[in-house]
Amino acid sequence: SQKIEQNSEALNIQEGKTATLTCNYTNYSPAYLQWYRQDPGRGPVFLLLIRENEKEKRKERLKVTFDTTLKQSLFHITASQPADSATYLCALDIAGNTPLVFGKGTRLSVIA
Amino acid sequence: DSGVTQTPKHLITATGQRVTLRCSPRSGDLSVYWYQQSLDQGLQFLIQYYNGEERAKGNILERFSAQQFPDLHSELNLSSLELGDSALYFCASSVVPGANGYTFGSGTRLTVV
Repeated sequence: SQKIEQNSEALNIQEGKTATLTCNYTNYSPAYLQWYRQDPGRGPVFLLLIRENEKEKRKERLKVTFDTTLKQSLFHITASQPADSATYLCALDIAGNTPLVFGKGTRLSVIA
Repeated sequence: DSGVTQTPKHLITATGQRVTLRCSPRSGDLSVYWYQQSLDQGLQFLIQYYNGEERAKGNILERFSAQQFPDLHSELNLSSLELGDSALYFCASSVVPGANGYTFGSGTRLTVV
């Protein structure tokens, strides 16, 4: 069956460290992959989009990698802060210009 | 404020009833998406409209329907409500379908009692 898996439901890290979140997928060949941040009771907020022909994308303290051979994306937050605590969702278009399919998310807690 | 407006923010209704959720997309966005989010299922795609036309359907129940109006606002109608329909319903918009980030509204929390 087709699915998207995010490595863990919850991840706790110390302030200042790098958080690494994983998104794995099977049976898809997405043209692009997106990452979103969601705070409790709020709508997801778009962070980054990476295309299948891009290996890496950066935005301030965020970095995303996309390995279409491994069918995996890694999302890194460097110099993490307590304000980075949230749930992070990865999302794929599964067949080109189709609505995004979302993973269940990883809840990140950055501890001061 | 994301630019996507959803009303109402909260809705409590009884089983068997019908409700309408409303969404105004961000200015300039032609594509509207509806998602349902429950604790155990995550974000589930329901339906997409593009410039007034239905573009894609996901796991939308037959009791649910939607439409997009000429001014591009959209409504999601949920009928014969069941306890299991209790969830957060999000509307999102994008300029066009494709490689663009979605802008989500703040959601409507539906509680069926």
